Amino acid sequence: DTGVSQNPRHKITKRGQNVTFRCDPISEHNRLYWYRQTLGQGPEFLTYFQNEAQLEKSRLLSDRFSAERPKGSFSTLEIQRTEQGDSAMYLCASSLGLAVETQYFGPGTRLLVL
Amino acid sequence: AQTVTQSQPEMSVQEAETVTLSCTYDTSENNYYLFWYKQPPSRQMILVIRQEAYKQQNATENRFSVNFQKAAKSFSLKISDSQLGDTAMYFCAFISDSGGSNYKLTFGKGTLLTVNP
Repeated sequence: DTGVSQNPRHKITKRGQNVTFRCDPISEHNRLYWYRQTLGQGPEFLTYFQNEAQLEKSRLLSDRFSAERPKGSFSTLEIQRTEQGDSAMYLCASSLGLAVETQYFGPGTRLLVL
Repeated sequence: AQTVTQSQPEMSVQEAETVTLSCTYDTSENNYYLFWYKQPPSRQMILVIRQEAYKQQNATENRFSVNFQKAAKSFSLKISDSQLGDTAMYFCAFISDSGGSNYKLTFGKGTLLTVNP
């Protein structure tokens, strides 16, 4: 399968713990995006990378969130000191090139903070 | 800031019939793209169809077609010959084509479509 993959698919954690999610984009895609989707809502943009450079961060991304894409390939999204309000589906997407390209989504990581 | 509105939280249709999902958007920009994504119960988002705002011709993709009305800022999705596998949440999304913003998709809240046998 050459689509976008995300791991883990599900994560249950206790409030205050740190969690890290991984996204592997489609191999030749330069852009990688993170979105968050809460129940009954459409996805909301969090951040994006052009190769290894993080070019934009939403105000939704508090200081407890950090994302990296160290070699311009896979990306990680870490949430420190999780809160119950962080419970959501975290979606990763990737696209090719500099122009407006279709974004291809992964299956998501569903986070539940108890 | 752009907004996308889907006014139909839920819809249902009988198998083999036609259904239209509505989407309106608000933007001051002239160059942009619009998308319909499908999110089946397994939760992976799949592109259904894409429309460039500069194109007057409505996009079609097999049983899926759009009615793009730029002046009215309307972008509806028509599904013909509905199939059980079309049951999913459908999201309308907007992305600007201006150099500084051509990375962020803005989504509506979605329409849950159920196709009944």
